[in-house]
Amino acid sequence: QVHLVESGGGVVQPGRSLRLSCVASGFTFRDFGMHWVRQAPGKGLEWVAVISYNGTYKYYGDSVKGRFTISRDNSKNTLYVQMNSLRAEDTAVYYCAKDGGGTGPSDFDYWGQGTLVTVSS
Amino acid sequence: QSVLTQPPSVSAAPGQKVTISCSGSSSNIENNYVSWFQQLPGAAPKLLIYENNKRPSGIPDRFSGSQSGTSATLGITGLQTGDEADYYCATWDTSLIAVIFGGGTKLTVL
Repeated sequence: QVHLVESGGGVVQPGRSLRLSCVASGFTFRDFGMHWVRQAPGKGLEWVAVISYNGTYKYYGDSVKGRFTISRDNSKNTLYVQMNSLRAEDTAVYYCAKDGGGTGPSDFDYWGQGTLVTVSS
Repeated sequence: QSVLTQPPSVSAAPGQKVTISCSGSSSNIENNYVSWFQQLPGAAPKLLIYENNKRPSGIPDRFSGSQSGTSATLGITGLQTGDEADYYCATWDTSLIAVIFGGGTKLTVL
């Protein structure tokens, strides 16, 4: 079955960087787009970024544009997000999510368990 | 404030039916497919509905989705206490060039 396992979260000071990883298994990783979605404590879901199956296309939410970079290594079945210039408002649980592969652009059919990023001095 | 508007909360008794609305615009719901997600307390979100009205395998037919114009609706029949969760709509916004989520609706089964 499909498994998505995020890692790399932790406590980081404002202005510093952090890289999250998401290891995928149970499906052909290179065939599907992948997303990052985050959830601040007690708040709703916020889409962060998407990368196409081959890494050609990348789109970002306005709040992270220019600071975060999504990437993938299909040889390692791994999705990444490099987060720079972190702010307190980036504090959230970060989920990786698999694109369903259909025509719906928000069909996230599998999610990881999430990794918590806390930005604090 | 979310681009997609959902009621903050809804409630109903066990066995009853509830609907959750998701209001958007021509740049999102009217011209792009809508998905719905269920998030149980302390858990990751789970896909309930995709492409406006389709259910992934394993999702009971008590859950249904519809879309009309700039609004979408999630329906849940035969409510169970285990349905208590937060529910989110999501779609693509052509103007923002981004996936957008509604603010979420907390369902209470009284």
